[in-house]
Amino acid sequence: DQQVKQNSPSLSVQEGRISILNCDYTNSMFDYFLWYKKYPAEGPTFLISISSIKDKNEDGRFTVFLNKSAKHLSLHIVPSQPGDSAVYFCAASAVSGGTSYGKLTFGQGTILTVHP
Amino acid sequence: ETGVTQTPRHLVMGMTNKKSLKCEQHLGHNAMYWYKQSAKKPLELMFVYNFKEQTENNSVPSRFSPECPNSSHLFLHLHTLQPEDSALYLCASSQDFGEAKNIQYFGAGTRLSVL
Repeated sequence: DQQVKQNSPSLSVQEGRISILNCDYTNSMFDYFLWYKKYPAEGPTFLISISSIKDKNEDGRFTVFLNKSAKHLSLHIVPSQPGDSAVYFCAASAVSGGTSYGKLTFGQGTILTVHP
Repeated sequence: ETGVTQTPRHLVMGMTNKKSLKCEQHLGHNAMYWYKQSAKKPLELMFVYNFKEQTENNSVPSRFSPECPNSSHLFLHLHTLQPEDSALYLCASSQDFGEAKNIQYFGAGTRLSVL
């Protein structure tokens, strides 16, 4: 049973436009969410995170939105750049307790390609 | 450079071999993790060590044996592996497994092929 799902395996976007990557989760104990970016031959690198007490967190070109009632989060990249081309993973954890306490549960990843 | 170094980057081994993967972190963290990433699958947590003590073993077969001699080093000893164990093995570290915001920092991984 996959608790974190990224239903789009890939996304292709023109440079300068917005990229929207989506993630759904099923475990209501999850209360902290992260996005990681992975280039080929490198490990995942932390990008941005959001706590369940917020519905939006912004860092430069990257904004994460959280809709707790829908158990859905999204990552917006504006404007998209060719260097953003990578695999993006969302991850979730439960900071308040439960069996997912302290552990990160990852989605399958979405391959983002930004065309010049 | 994330501060987490994994060696070797690539490893090919037969099913009867014994090999070890090494991970070293230079971030002063207290928690270290082993993950497995198979093709088209999410990262799967294998083991967690917090302050050198194993706190999580995610039902991993005994042919995988972790070792954490200190908070900076983590090993994964491999023996009598199966071809389905071929995958990317990632090491990560974080400040403390129990911290409120568990941001983990990953190494580049070891690409393992079992023949």
